[in-house]
Amino acid sequence: EAGVAQSPRYKIIEKRQSVAFWCNPISGHATLYWYQQILGQGPKLLIQFQNNGVVDDSQLPKDRFSAERLKGVDSTLKIQPAKLEDSAVYLCASSLKGDNEQFFGPGTRLTVL
Amino acid sequence: GENVEQHPSTLSVQEGDSAVIKCTYSDSASNYFPWYKQELGKRPQLIIDIRSNVGEKKDQRIAVTLNKTAKHFSLHITETQPEDSAVYFCAASSKLYSSASKIIFGSGTRLSIRP
Repeated sequence: EAGVAQSPRYKIIEKRQSVAFWCNPISGHATLYWYQQILGQGPKLLIQFQNNGVVDDSQLPKDRFSAERLKGVDSTLKIQPAKLEDSAVYLCASSLKGDNEQFFGPGTRLTVL
Repeated sequence: GENVEQHPSTLSVQEGDSAVIKCTYSDSASNYFPWYKQELGKRPQLIIDIRSNVGEKKDQRIAVTLNKTAKHFSLHITETQPEDSAVYFCAASSKLYSSASKIIFGSGTRLSIRP
């Protein structure tokens, strides 16, 4: 089966600019996650969707980050405006449901200058 | 809030020796404990997982043990090989509501295998 797809793979922007990431999960996976992984740290959950509904966004900085999963399939994560501390790898993952194996995409490496 | 602590942060072992990584969790309702391996520049991949109805699970050179009373679980790698060098993350599920859970990751252990 095809894996989780993400784009772009790399992005360099200046602070205060906007950026958007896209994720296409594995077909049939109801749960989709966005993680932020800062160098040397574990993945930090930003938002979790069950189909097209949000089940957890407690660690999403809502003043600058937003995410949607229209039609319960693809998802986009947006940062507006970006800060230097947003430099990280943004990982998308999907699973059949919340307590099953998560399959990760290749990630988007964001550098904010 | 819910938390998963992982130790040690770095571990260096001689090739052929065993490696042990330990994690503790705070949510007594956690019932799913996966371990992920992340090689440099790559995505995390599941290597083994355990559910709370068992105390130990083994897959070739990898084993995981779970002590629900003490709220800790461990990863054991025997006969380590150079390709075992990577960052390992433990994780624990945390119930959101009746039909949804989330996974909380530990901070990772960088394992290096010395030739």
